[in-house]
Amino acid sequence: SQKIEQNSEALNIQEGKTATLTCNYTNYSPAYLQWYRQDPGRGPVFLLLIRENEKEKRKERLKVTFDTTLKQSLFHITASQPADSATYLCALITPTNAGNMLTFGGGTRLMVKP
Amino acid sequence: NAGVTQTPKFQVLKTGQSMTLQCAQDMNHEYMSWYRQDPGMGLRLIHYSVGAGITDQGEVPNGYNVSRSTTEDFPLRLLSAAPSQTSVYFCASSVGQGGEQYFGPGTRLTVT
Repeated sequence: SQKIEQNSEALNIQEGKTATLTCNYTNYSPAYLQWYRQDPGRGPVFLLLIRENEKEKRKERLKVTFDTTLKQSLFHITASQPADSATYLCALITPTNAGNMLTFGGGTRLMVKP
Repeated sequence: NAGVTQTPKFQVLKTGQSMTLQCAQDMNHEYMSWYRQDPGMGLRLIHYSVGAGITDQGEVPNGYNVSRSTTEDFPLRLLSAAPSQTSVYFCASSVGQGGEQYFGPGTRLTVT
């Protein structure tokens, strides 16, 4: 089974800087990789999807990269704001005949200080 | 659209009791899943489904049953609750392979 590692320590950065979060996995490369944001007491909210044949995806201030050789995805938030403070989860998706099988990392807590 | 709804929001059970967590979605999504999230951890997949009558086990299926008789509903049954099942349970739905997951607000379950 997949093992996914995200930095379990909180990432503290100053407002306006770029936050970079890491997601490493150990086994086969998934067909898809997604990033989610989770605020305390709430369900995760989808941010970005990247496919195994894609190197990079962007959406507004967000960018995700996917390196199947390194078995790693990086998630960047540029011009970070205090409102970006949350826990960010990466998820690997393996399609099966019964649906999408998702494996989540433990998440990295981001704190953006004004 | 209400999106994904879950009931109840909170539940306390005694060891050995059974109950059903309800999940419904009104987006006509084929794919639905159940996850549990323990403190400081990511989500772990319990069961998932691609449509009525089709379900499969995820990473942590023991102690849980599911069935999918309609597109809209995907209930999760705890057969005989144990303290190890104390957790927050999230239901999610999505469209297509690799599609973004829409999560419900969660059910916080405590088993004493």
